[in-house]
Amino acid sequence: GAGVSQSPSNKVTEKGKDVELRCDPISGHTALYWYRQSLGQGLEFLIYFQGNSAPDKSGLPSDRFSAERTGGSVSTLTIQRTQQEDSAVYLCASSSQGTVGENIQYFGAGTRLSVL
Amino acid sequence: AQSVTQLGSHVSVSEGALVLLRCNYSSSVPPYLFWYVQYPNQGLQLLLKYTSAATLVKGINGFEAEFKKSETSFHLTKPSAHMSDAAEYFCAVSAPDTGRRALTFGSGTRLQVQP
Repeated sequence: GAGVSQSPSNKVTEKGKDVELRCDPISGHTALYWYRQSLGQGLEFLIYFQGNSAPDKSGLPSDRFSAERTGGSVSTLTIQRTQQEDSAVYLCASSSQGTVGENIQYFGAGTRLSVL
Repeated sequence: AQSVTQLGSHVSVSEGALVLLRCNYSSSVPPYLFWYVQYPNQGLQLLLKYTSAATLVKGINGFEAEFKKSETSFHLTKPSAHMSDAAEYFCAVSAPDTGRRALTFGSGTRLQVQP
């Protein structure tokens, strides 16, 4: 596609339920990132995928959060047993491998998650 | 480790006035610096980037930023504000030499443009 696509755009769930958020990166981009944007914490890095390398999971806040990237393209962020503090906008970004100086990340519009 | 501080969570200017959004960084290695803009209910859009080439960087929509190593700053400016510039602006730093490509963002500055 022309840009990074995220679905759903909005998700309302009940506390304790599991949710899956989807990200479809720009075609040909090998790097994919998940960030979380919340009122109290600003923009936080969650996880980073680069090609076939092991993902950088250093930003995941707890073991309730996980992500996978299938076939080097689409990624799914899963939050298990959601809590109210998980309410936030989840942003996905992708970038081409390029040189480190070309690390321009292109962002999707995000998924707004509301946990009731 | 790297970090970014944006001074002023809200900035208000009159249409046609100078826009100045402040960003100071901390990085243990030469940083790459970025400014992104976010319009309501949209993702982040890159305005400009600094990657150790020219210290004065020109971006889209008439914005520019100057990298000042001595001041560890990367302030964003625009000579004349337009109503359409009203948005939230984020400064971000990346230190790829550390092997970490994720961006570290500042807390953001919301720009209001008064008619």
